[in-house]
Amino acid sequence: KNQVEQSPQSLIILEGKNCTLQCNYTVSPFSNLRWYKQDTGRGPVSLTIMTFSENTKSNGRYTATLDADTKQSSLHITASQLSDSASYICVVRPFMEYGNKLVFGAGTILRVKS
Amino acid sequence: NAGVTQTPKFRVLKTGQSMTLLCAQDMNHEYMYWYRQDPGMGLRLIHYSVGEGTTAKGEVPDGYNVSRLKKQNFLLGLESAAPSQTSVYFCASSLLGLGHYEQYFGPGTRLTVT
Repeated sequence: KNQVEQSPQSLIILEGKNCTLQCNYTVSPFSNLRWYKQDTGRGPVSLTIMTFSENTKSNGRYTATLDADTKQSSLHITASQLSDSASYICVVRPFMEYGNKLVFGAGTILRVKS
Repeated sequence: NAGVTQTPKFRVLKTGQSMTLLCAQDMNHEYMYWYRQDPGMGLRLIHYSVGEGTTAKGEVPDGYNVSRLKKQNFLLGLESAAPSQTSVYFCASSLLGLGHYEQYFGPGTRLTVT
């Protein structure tokens, strides 16, 4: 069964610190992997998207990495800000012939404290 | 350019009541989707549409119906609400393709069924 698991479930860090969120998936083969940011009371917003052949993608202070061999991805946030407080969701799209629906992780809730 | 909008934002229903959630997008997207988000779980696809006049079942379609009479609108109906349908509902749209193109999410509707 296609699954996406994220860790930790929640995380609290001090403003200005770095953090790394993890995503392990069993979806195989896959077409692309995305990270979304979801602010409280809002819909998810895309941060990065990587195809199976890419191993890193940056968007400002957000850097996503992908290791297709170990089926792991991480999202690194540099110099965190209070506005980074949100849920971060890892999403994998199976390769078309193996299912065409996105598989969502449950998310990691990040809280940045001042 | 409002993107994806949803109405209402909040709703409380009694068991057995019916309601319709409205989603509208102004990006001329072909694909539209309805998801539900429950605590500790990833978003799950309820129904989707690949164009005006079309609908298809997603992962958890039971108890819901949808219609796409106009390209810009996608309606989600609950004919006889049950407490298990208490959730946050998100609508999304994409230019093409179920997972190939970026999905843009609405702000969500929080539904409570008592």
